[in-house]
Amino acid sequence: DVKVTQSSRYLVKRTGEKVFLECVQDMDHENMFWYRQDPGLGLRLIYFSYDVKMKEKGDIPEGYSVSREKKERFSLILESASTNQTSMYLCASSEGGVKGYIQYFGAGTRLSVL
Amino acid sequence: ELKVEQNPLFLSMQEGKNYTIYCNYSTTSDRLYWYRQDPGKSLESLFVLLSNGAVKQEGRLMASLDTKARLSTLHITAAVHDLSATYFCAVETSGSRLTFGEGTQLTVNP
Repeated sequence: DVKVTQSSRYLVKRTGEKVFLECVQDMDHENMFWYRQDPGLGLRLIYFSYDVKMKEKGDIPEGYSVSREKKERFSLILESASTNQTSMYLCASSEGGVKGYIQYFGAGTRLSVL
Repeated sequence: ELKVEQNPLFLSMQEGKNYTIYCNYSTTSDRLYWYRQDPGKSLESLFVLLSNGAVKQEGRLMASLDTKARLSTLHITAAVHDLSATYFCAVETSGSRLTFGEGTQLTVNP
């Protein structure tokens, strides 16, 4: 079974803090994704990566950055957390190449910025 | 900009009844996914629809895709309480990107 592990289920941070959300997958997938989920808005793509050291902006990249130093690990960074970044963050991974591969999701990190 | 719209957003139904969730999208794509999310849990893949006219069925759920109409449906037959969850459709665009609908929160009442 594919396993996508997010390092924390719940996080509480203060405004202005630098926040790291970590995601690890164990299926040697090329693609990794970060989404945020807010009620009534579905999931929105923040950043994604096709390969090590590669990153692409999604639909809402402002205020975020990412790092992919190893194939299995994809980190989301909030450079200076703000209250409007309070949300559920979901990491996903999928095989690369031909389209039509399922994205597998982690359990999510619920981040509260106070 | 691709828009993916689900209808309805909230659905309360009785056990044993049938209903359909609709997913409309605004740009050409021939790949669509349905996911299920239980409260407090992550997303679980239900169906992958890879071409026009594709139909997939699993238990009481059946999904279909009409790429010409830019429409997918998720049909629920004889609903049971265990189907209560939020259902998302997602449209694949370039580079394996998915754009998700808002989600349909389904509650099945005894």
